Amino acid sequence: NAGVTQTPKFQVLKTGQSMTLQCAQDMNHEYMSWYRQDPGMGLRLIHYSVGAGITDQGEVPNGYNVSRSTTEDFPLRLLSAAPSQTSVYFCASAGTGELFFGEGSRLTVL
Amino acid sequence: KQEVTQIPAALSVPEGENLVLNCSFTDSAIYNLQWFRQDPGKGLTSLLLIQSSQREQTSGRLNASLDKSSGRSTLYIAASQPGDSATYLCAVGYSSASKIIFGSGTRLSIRP
Repeated sequence: NAGVTQTPKFQVLKTGQSMTLQCAQDMNHEYMSWYRQDPGMGLRLIHYSVGAGITDQGEVPNGYNVSRSTTEDFPLRLLSAAPSQTSVYFCASAGTGELFFGEGSRLTVL
Repeated sequence: KQEVTQIPAALSVPEGENLVLNCSFTDSAIYNLQWFRQDPGKGLTSLLLIQSSQREQTSGRLNASLDKSSGRSTLYIAASQPGDSATYLCAVGYSSASKIIFGSGTRLSIRP
């Protein structure tokens, strides 16, 4: 049972480039979410989804897009990366309220 | 505004001590509260989940309590060990856990 899988683990981008962080879960969880973790800021919710076809904004959604075409996958898209988006990104899923996290994706934007 | 606060930000204690980590939240209309452990460079590992109707949960040497009326939760660690050194985060779930807010964490160091 893989749980929550994030790819890539590390990525370096130049300002203005686009990329997608992938997140997949194999626990049939309806709820999935993306967080970013910055020193001194804790984890901040970017976007979340309560089921396929349903997404909503979290605390810091600007600069990020998401979609949820299947229960298993919840990709996070950066359309035009900025240095302020340098962070560690975590994907999480939940079935009955307990959150399960992926290992994280460390993104650096130069 | 819904906020979650963890104090202290860092704590260092000698091995064998019992200790308490604190989490406070401003909106008491919670759905659940979860405690996590995070090791450096790693993801978050769930320790305990308390539903809003519960007062406490226990797992091994860990005990988490919840007092909604005062907006507080505590994580009690008994007989601490160096392997307990990590950052501990609490997360409060609202609106059937569709909105989850994290505290900034307490960085715990257990001295051998």
